[in-house]
Amino acid sequence: DAGITQSPRHKVTETGTPVTLRCHQTENHRYMYWYRQDPGHGLRLIHYSYGVKDTDKGEVSDGYSVSRSKTEDFLLTLESATSSQTSVYFCAATQGALYNEQFFGPGTRLTVL
Amino acid sequence: ELKVEQNPLFLSMQEGKNYTIYCNYSTTSDRLYWYRQDPGKSLESLFVLLSNGAVKQEGRLMASLDTKARLSTLHITAAVHDLSATYFCAVELASGTYKYIFGTGTRLKVLA
Repeated sequence: DAGITQSPRHKVTETGTPVTLRCHQTENHRYMYWYRQDPGHGLRLIHYSYGVKDTDKGEVSDGYSVSRSKTEDFLLTLESATSSQTSVYFCAATQGALYNEQFFGPGTRLTVL
Repeated sequence: ELKVEQNPLFLSMQEGKNYTIYCNYSTTSDRLYWYRQDPGKSLESLFVLLSNGAVKQEGRLMASLDTKARLSTLHITAAVHDLSATYFCAVELASGTYKYIFGTGTRLKVLA
């Protein structure tokens, strides 16, 4: 797991409430990512970060925002959760060196009722 | 728009048999990654393929990359039950972007 943790690991919330998921890494990886995993869709990139305060959108960014104020933390916020955001969310990180393989966190299962 | 297509999506095979999973993509990327995911778990890196013609092997799994055909294969030799998992390929959107697009995954079940 290359020292990547996610919190919370499980969350149930109601439609319309804000939700923040946290990803923390201890390996000083430069690049960090948030994906969502849904049946039939594989992993889809929500947002990613290429450095502190540097972020960019992925393919499914609507309804999500991110922040990265420190190298080790990458936060994903659902401003007003909807049922369509029920999913498993994975954080990943990579050094940005030759191999660029991503290391993944354990995932957060989010249910929006 | 980059598309990454895997086939088959589901694969049920007998122990001891060989099979190949295919990953087709639509850009000129020369970096391709294979990951494994066990049920209810996270993803772990299997192979990193960095150039045309690259071949990597680990145990009963062998991955190859043909950038001209925009095709990667994951070959399973003499399958065993422990290989049951979902396998994903991923491609970098464009060289140096560090953005990756994943295929939809191939769910492999090896029957005893």
